[in-house]
Amino acid sequence: KAGVTQTPRYLIKTRGQQVTLSCSPISGHRSVSWYQQTPGQGLQFLFEYFSETQRNKGNFPGRFSGRQFSNSRSEMNVSTLELGDSALYLCASSQGQGPPDTQYFGPGTRLTVL
Amino acid sequence: GDSVTQMEGPVTLSEEAFLTINCTYTATGYPSLFWYVQYPGEGLQLLLKATKADDKGSNKGFEATYRKETTSFHLEKGSVQVSDSAVYFCALSERSGGSYIPTFGRGTSLIVHP
Repeated sequence: KAGVTQTPRYLIKTRGQQVTLSCSPISGHRSVSWYQQTPGQGLQFLFEYFSETQRNKGNFPGRFSGRQFSNSRSEMNVSTLELGDSALYLCASSQGQGPPDTQYFGPGTRLTVL
Repeated sequence: GDSVTQMEGPVTLSEEAFLTINCTYTATGYPSLFWYVQYPGEGLQLLLKATKADDKGSNKGFEATYRKETTSFHLEKGSVQVSDSAVYFCALSERSGGSYIPTFGRGTSLIVHP
């Protein structure tokens, strides 16, 4: 089975721009979650999508949004980028039902905001 | 709310040394417990898991036992290798709003010298 894939792997943007990241889950997985990883804050949960519906949401501003398509692929969008948005963005897929609901992570997208 | 506390790193060991990384948790119910590993430049990979008290998870020589009485899930390995150098994350997962989104610790960096 192919693993979770994320594109692009690296992105450089400037403040004020917007960005869209993509995640393709493992075949058969219906849940996709997004995380932001930074040295200072560690791993922080952004949101989870299950069957095209946002099922859970972390404590991030509305500039961070996402969606999920009928094939379970997911996109995450960040508008009006700030310097503090520089981070590794990780996507994880799972069956979406548990317990336990083991998450399988992609390699991440490294976003740098200048 | 749920939380996971890991020992601060980095942990620096010589090859073939014994490894312990401490992890304690706070949860409202009966969570599943996980250890994930992140190698440089990659996403997180599931290392092992345990779903109920006294369960022992094991993989690649690593072990951890779910101790409900001490709310702990310490990671151990009898003889580490240079290739074990990575960041290790302890996590718990219990049902919240229909999801099983994990709560992660801050991660512990392990450096193994030849």
